[in-house]
Formats: sequence, C-alpha cells, structure tokens
Amino acid sequence: EVQLLESGGGLAQPGGSLRLSCAASGFTFSNYAMSWVRQAPGKGLDWVSTISGSGGTTYYADSVKGRFTISRDNFQNTLSLQMNSLRTEDTAVYYCAKVISMILPGDYWGQGALVTVSS
Amino acid sequence: QSALTQPRSVSGSPGQSVTISCTGTSSDVAGYNYVSWYQQHPGKAPKLMIFDVSKRPSGVPDRFSGSKSGNTASLTISGLQAEDEADYYCCSYAGSDSVVFGGGTKLTVL
Repeated sequence: EVQLLESGGGLAQPGGSLRLSCAASGFTFSNYAMSWVRQAPGKGLDWVSTISGSGGTTYYADSVKGRFTISRDNFQNTLSLQMNSLRTEDTAVYYCAKVISMILPGDYWGQGALVTVSS
Repeated sequence: QSALTQPRSVSGSPGQSVTISCTGTSSDVAGYNYVSWYQQHPGKAPKLMIFDVSKRPSGVPDRFSGSKSGNTASLTISGLQAEDEADYYCCSYAGSDSVVFGGGTKLTVL
C-alpha cells in the first residue's frame, strides 16, 4: 500500500525557515518524480515544486523560486522541502504527491502538513 | 503564470451528467496533452480522477471522463451520485517546466 506521510509543519515567523519532510512507502521511490502542492486556508491548490526520480532535476513555481529548495533521499525514501525567507502568504497546508505524468502531481497524496507564517 | 479558469460552481441532480470546464491558453492546456483533474472533499487530500487529458487511474469509476478541445479541457461526470459532491480542480503543464492549477469548482448534487 502506497503511503506518504508529511511532517515538520508548524509556526514560523516572517523571514524564518521551516523544513518539511515526506516519508514514502509502498512503491519504488526512486522511480518516480515527486511534487509539493500547497493550499492556503479556504483557497485552491497551488503547485510549489517537483523533483525528478534521481533528484537531478528540480522545478519551482515563480512564487517560491530562490526561497524554497526541494530535495530527496532515495535511500531513506524521503522527500524534503526547505523553506526559507518565509512570508505570510506561504501559510498553507502543504501536500507531497507522487507524480504520475510529466511533472504534474498524481495518484497518491499525503495527508498534508500545516505551515503557519505569522508574527 | 495565470491560473486556469473554472466555473465557481456547478450542480446537478442524482443520475444526471455535469461537465466542468477548464480554460487555459496556448501556453498550457492547448499546448500539451498533460491535463489532470482532482477531486477534493472537505478536509481531505485531493484525489486524482483524470490524467493526460482523458486517462483514468485504476479505481476511478468510468462515470468520470476527460476531454480537451483547443484551450479548454473538460471533466464530465455521468450518473451523478451524492458522493460526487466535492471541489474539483484542473491542472495543466504550462511549459518552461511549470504547472498551473485552476481555481476550483464546487459541485453540488441537488
């Protein structure tokens, strides 16, 4: 059974940092690209970043480019999102998702981790 | 990259069919056959219903179908059921290694 479990959410101050992790199981992790998608309270889905299966290629939304870094550990089957220079508009539930086609989030999603950026 | 345009809400009675549209541009929907649709119930994670415009993941009922014409993609749900009531989001590859979502459509089953 495929499982994705996010952790690391919480409260951060504007300008601060936070690191999210996503533990994957039930599939050959290194064979699949992985994505982060966020959803601000009461709002729609917003693509954040995608990383290739090998970790050698990364993609970012313009809104997070230069502030967020996606990475993966194919030995530990873990996906990460390092978030720096956080802004209040980064407040959202962050989901990790397995990619099924191209770089679009796909067929399995985690339960989400809430990140709140507030002073 | 601008969000794809979806109707805010649609509705239908049990057993009827509804179609949700998703309008983009030549840079996203029209330019690639990489359009996905997601269903999201309140407080839950999104669920993939359609990918690559018209492909259904295993386990998704064949009542759900996807299509595309020009810069507009569509999700059609036939034989509406109460449990189909949810928010639906379209998503497209947008070139330059980016992805764009629609604003979401609330489906109400009357």
